[in-house]
Amino acid sequence: KAGVTQTPRYLIKTRGQQVTLSCSPISGHRSVSWYQQTPGQGLQFLFEYFSETQRNKGNFPGRFSGRQFSNSRSEMNVSTLELGDSALYLCASSLDPFIGTDTQYFGPGTRLTVL
Amino acid sequence: ILNVEQSPQSLHVQEGDSTNFTCSFPSSNFYALHWYRWETAKSPEALFVMTLNGDEKKKGRISATLNTKEGYSYLYIKGSQPEDSATYLCAFDNNDMRFGAGTRLTVKP
Repeated sequence: KAGVTQTPRYLIKTRGQQVTLSCSPISGHRSVSWYQQTPGQGLQFLFEYFSETQRNKGNFPGRFSGRQFSNSRSEMNVSTLELGDSALYLCASSLDPFIGTDTQYFGPGTRLTVL
Repeated sequence: ILNVEQSPQSLHVQEGDSTNFTCSFPSSNFYALHWYRWETAKSPEALFVMTLNGDEKKKGRISATLNTKEGYSYLYIKGSQPEDSATYLCAFDNNDMRFGAGTRLTVKP
């Protein structure tokens, strides 16, 4: 089975621009979660989508949004980029978050640099 | 405890040493506790998902225990090898996943 894929792997943007990141989950997985990792902050939960619905949201401003398509692929959008948005963005997919032992499988991440 | 805390932050051991790390998490509204290994330039890799108080999981030389009443989990590595060098993350799963900052393990040959 193919793993979680994320595109693009690297991205450079300037302040004020917007960006869209893509995540393709493992085949059969219906849940996709997004995380931001910055030095010194660790992995911060952004949001989770399950069956095309946002199930949970972390403590991030409204500039961060996402969606999930019927094939479970997910996109994350950040509008009006700020320097502090420079980070590694990871997505993770899982079968069913309502199962207690559900395991998340991570993609390789997208490294976003905002200049 | 409101956040997930891991200790120590980093650890340097010699090949063959056994080691352990701690993950502390809120003891209320527990759903699951996850352990991940994150090697440099790779994706985090799931090690264990633990849901029941008293759970013990084992995978080769790595094992983990869980105490939900007091809010902690231990990860043990027996006979560390250089390939065990990585950051070990725990995550408290209560509908959203709250990750600790990780323990960075370096195993010297």
